[in-house]
Amino acid sequence: NAGVMQNPRHLVRRRGQEARLRCSPMKGHSHVYWYRQLPEEGLKFMVYLQKENIIDESGMPKERFSAEFPKEGPSILRIQQVVRGDSAAYFCASSPFGQQSSYNEQFFGPGTRLTVL
Amino acid sequence: AQSVTQLDSQVPVFEEAPVELRCNYSSSVSVYLFWYVQYPNQGLQLLLKYLSGSTLVKGINGFEAEFNKSQTSFHLRKPSVHISDTAEYFCAVSDNTGFQKLVFGTGTRLLVSP
Repeated sequence: NAGVMQNPRHLVRRRGQEARLRCSPMKGHSHVYWYRQLPEEGLKFMVYLQKENIIDESGMPKERFSAEFPKEGPSILRIQQVVRGDSAAYFCASSPFGQQSSYNEQFFGPGTRLTVL
Repeated sequence: AQSVTQLDSQVPVFEEAPVELRCNYSSSVSVYLFWYVQYPNQGLQLLLKYLSGSTLVKGINGFEAEFNKSQTSFHLRKPSVHISDTAEYFCAVSDNTGFQKLVFGTGTRLLVSP
């Protein structure tokens, strides 16, 4: 069973361009979380999605950032008009469907390191 | 809302010595607690977790942690470290529902030297 896959692993963009980060969850997982790790900091939650639904986007910046998890295909984190402050490692994690009252482990991908020039 | 404090940004230690990485948390609700390890340019790997029950939790690679509710702490320990344990260690907390977003500390860099 392949792990969580993210691509690209490294992405370089110039200011004002768009960045698209992709996350393929583990087989059978229907929940995806995105986290951002700024240099020398811990990971910060951005958004939690199930297939075709955004469940919690309380950590997403209000502008330029969006996420989706379509019925078919990977989850996409999209950053429009990137700025230098967007340079970070972006990690996604997936978990299986489970009951509200039980623990569902998150499995992390290797991350996409975005550099904005 | 939860928060996590890792007071030590870096811990240098000699090989085969014991180590403790400190983690304190705050929360108004019951929590799950986690330690993750991150090797350079890689993703996070779960070392161990506390969900309920015994307060002493054993994880992979010889690590263990103890949940102390009165002190709101979840310190990570290993009796004898190896060079290969050099990595960044993150403590994290979530509420104890099924769909948890993780709140991470700022990390502790463990540097093991010969």
